[in-house]
Amino acid sequence: GEQVEQLPSILRVQEGSSASINCTYENSASNYFPWYKQEPGENPKLIIDIRSNMERKQTQGLIVLLDKKAKRFSLHITDTQPGDSAMYFCAASPNSGTYQRFGTGTKLQVVP
Amino acid sequence: EAAVTQSPRNKVTVTGGNVTLSCRQTNSHNYMYWYRQDTGHGLRLIHYSYGAGNLQIGDVPDGYKATRTTQEDFFLLLELASPSQTSLYFCASSERDSNERLFFGHGTKLSVL
Repeated sequence: GEQVEQLPSILRVQEGSSASINCTYENSASNYFPWYKQEPGENPKLIIDIRSNMERKQTQGLIVLLDKKAKRFSLHITDTQPGDSAMYFCAASPNSGTYQRFGTGTKLQVVP
Repeated sequence: EAAVTQSPRNKVTVTGGNVTLSCRQTNSHNYMYWYRQDTGHGLRLIHYSYGAGNLQIGDVPDGYKATRTTQEDFFLLLELASPSQTSLYFCASSERDSNERLFFGHGTKLSVL
């Protein structure tokens, strides 16, 4: 019971609109939820994270929501730009002595 | 920004071949990880370590060995490479534990023919 599910796998949005990616996790002990962005040919880089003592976090056009009861967390990108086109990965970490498990990724395409 | 360096960047070998992937981080991070990235599977953890001499198994360890020789260096070994191990391999590090951001290297693209 350690999987992280991520949907959708592909997301195409109009420039200027919002994009939402959803993840669910199985391990109720998970307490750290990072989001990584991976541009083509590059390595994944952290863009925002949230811990289990929070329900919402916002930074620079990114919003993360965490619903611990439903074991669900989501990334919302407001006012999308072409530079937001990339792969996005969610992850969950059950506790400090283990490792982050990743979702299968979402390919976001922002079209003019 | 933490520096994680992987080598080689690209590697081609044959089935049954012996491959070593190297990773070095110069920020005195405790934790180091080896992930593989495959389309449709995301990033899956092979092995990780929380210090020199320590090794822990991840979710997909079969066919892989790893060794953490120093605080800085973490190696992934494929002693009998198979085509199913063709993948993009990322090394990552985190400062104290897994409840922190990961810093990734630029990856090693491995092809097993």
